[in-house]
Amino acid sequence: AQRVTQPEKLLSVFKGAPVELKCNYSYSGSPELFWYVQYSRQRLQLLLRHISRESIKGFTADLNKGETSFHLKKPFAQEEDSAMYYCALGTGGTSYGKLTFGQGTILTVHP
Amino acid sequence: GAGVSQSPSNKVTEKGKDVELRCDPISGHTALYWYRQRLGQGLEFLIYFQGNSAPDKSGLPSDRFSAERTGESVSTLTIQRTQQEDSAVYLCASSLGGNTEAFFGQGTRLTVV
Repeated sequence: AQRVTQPEKLLSVFKGAPVELKCNYSYSGSPELFWYVQYSRQRLQLLLRHISRESIKGFTADLNKGETSFHLKKPFAQEEDSAMYYCALGTGGTSYGKLTFGQGTILTVHP
Repeated sequence: GAGVSQSPSNKVTEKGKDVELRCDPISGHTALYWYRQRLGQGLEFLIYFQGNSAPDKSGLPSDRFSAERTGESVSTLTIQRTQQEDSAVYLCASSLGGNTEAFFGQGTRLTVV
């Protein structure tokens, strides 16, 4: 069965410092990985997905199949990055499978 | 509609009463999920619907919880004989399929007093 692990429930950094939110997954097939973010009083929304290889709001994430990881990184954290971050694993094709979420990491960026 | 819509936004109920939460997914989305988010906690998976397949109910915490979805339309999550520990935000999400972006509703905040 598929599983997503986010080992850090809470992560605090100072503004301007690098930040890395860890995500490890377990899945025997070909994974589709996502990062979702929930800012205070807003809906949970997609931040980025590995297949598009984008940098969104300065965040990047690289899928490492050897280490089964999809860590989220930003070189210089900003106060507005404070939010709850969820890593998610998609399995199967468009007609089957489901998204499995990690337990989330609360990121706090201090001024 | 423009996005996933959930109703009501807020619900206060007395312990022991039944409640129904509604989710209107994005049109054409075959996958629909229900999650629970307790204060300060992460997402707890409850149930997953995919097209006409049997739903994945593996996350439902007790037999007081049930959900229905007719085809690829509206879903209702029912909690019978509510308890105080059921107080949480209940989130619904829909997607085109298992490996595509999930769009979330704004949630229903349930408070059991």
